[in-house]
Amino acid sequence: NAGVTQTPKFQVLKTGQSMTLQCAQDMNHEYMSWYRQDPGMGLRLIHYSVGAGITDQGEVPNGYNVSRSTTEDFPLRLLSAAPSQTSVYFCASSDRALHSGNTIYFGEGSWLTVV
Amino acid sequence: QKEVEQDPGPLSVPEGAIVSLNCTYSNSAFQYFMWYRQYSRKGPELLMYTYSSGNKEDGRFTAQVDKSSKYISLFIRDSQPSDSATYLCAMGGYSSASKIIFGSGTRLSIRP
Repeated sequence: NAGVTQTPKFQVLKTGQSMTLQCAQDMNHEYMSWYRQDPGMGLRLIHYSVGAGITDQGEVPNGYNVSRSTTEDFPLRLLSAAPSQTSVYFCASSDRALHSGNTIYFGEGSWLTVV
Repeated sequence: QKEVEQDPGPLSVPEGAIVSLNCTYSNSAFQYFMWYRQYSRKGPELLMYTYSSGNKEDGRFTAQVDKSSKYISLFIRDSQPSDSATYLCAMGGYSSASKIIFGSGTRLSIRP
């Protein structure tokens, strides 16, 4: 059972470039989300999805796009990379609403550096 | 002011010691309280979950919630080097509009 799989693990981008972080889960979870983790800031929610075809913004959505065409996949797109987007990105999934005390399963992270 | 405050550490204790990790929060609507453990270069994983106030014990780990003081704690007994990780508290409300809010994490190191 793979759980939550995200790629790539490491990426270096130049300012202005675009890229997509891939995320897939094999647990048939309805809820998927993207977080970024920065020193001293904890995990901050970027975008989330409550099911295929439904997405919404989190706490820090600017500069990022998402789509959810299938239950399994939830890619995160950086439209025009900026140095402020240098961070560690985590994809996550859960089988119930984000606000309740259910388990959130995280991927292993994607380390992104924008130069 | 952040909704959830957590001392970043680092905290270094000898093997076998009792460890106390804490978070404070400001939003009285939080009902779900969780502790996640994150090893270096890995994603967080759920360690403990508590609903509303009270204590919960799981092996060497005890989670406490004091809603009147808006204060939660995680205690680790007989700490082991394998407990060395970053511990993040997390909290959620009860409405569909609310999300899980994470603390910034406390880095813990257990010295053999």
